[in-house]
Amino acid sequence: DMKVTQMPRYLIKRMGENVLLECGQDMSHETMYWYRQDPGLGLQLIYISYDVDSNSEGDIPKGYRVSRKKREHFSLILDSAKTNQTSVYFCASSLTGPQAPLFGEGTRLSVL
Amino acid sequence: GEKVEQHESTLSVREGDSAVINCTYTDTASSYFPWYKQEAGKSLHFVIDIRSNVDRKQSQRLIVLLDKKAKRFSLHITATQPEDSAIYFCAASVGDNSKLIWGLGTSLVVNP
Repeated sequence: DMKVTQMPRYLIKRMGENVLLECGQDMSHETMYWYRQDPGLGLQLIYISYDVDSNSEGDIPKGYRVSRKKREHFSLILDSAKTNQTSVYFCASSLTGPQAPLFGEGTRLSVL
Repeated sequence: GEKVEQHESTLSVREGDSAVINCTYTDTASSYFPWYKQEAGKSLHFVIDIRSNVDRKQSQRLIVLLDKKAKRFSLHITATQPEDSAIYFCAASVGDNSKLIWGLGTSLVVNP
């Protein structure tokens, strides 16, 4: 079953705490993405990963870092989270080239 | 930077009528244009796409038109049903083609 799985689905953190969002896919897709979605701003690309240890900044990478040590797994890390990082975060994956990404169910993060 | 503009932020139609959502893009190199549907509180789900080597594609009640000269593409939903109510996002490939630029979404309401 083709699926992108995000954990956790909901997370509440205090400002200054570290945050780890995890994403897995079972399709052996080379390309994986982290987006955030905010009302009125649409989907903003944080990072794109083309394969293991081949990551590239998206449009809003500041305050975030990523890790991809296995093709199936892509993590988003917020070191010392800020209140303006409260958002819904989506992970997605696709085959290489222009293909429609498959999205996970999202992680709703609140930073208080 | 490159942009995708989604012209209708909201659209209200009567059940059975057609709905049309229009998008324009700026990158002349864009070659891939997917559409996604997002129901309230849920993730984005792929609905249909079109590549630049064709100007029309149909999948059941969904039709996508592409006008490369005008850098415009549109989603036509025929014989709308209440379950078509959702936010629809258009996107266009840019750069290395694995990246997508997203419109801000159109909220479609189908009234019974």
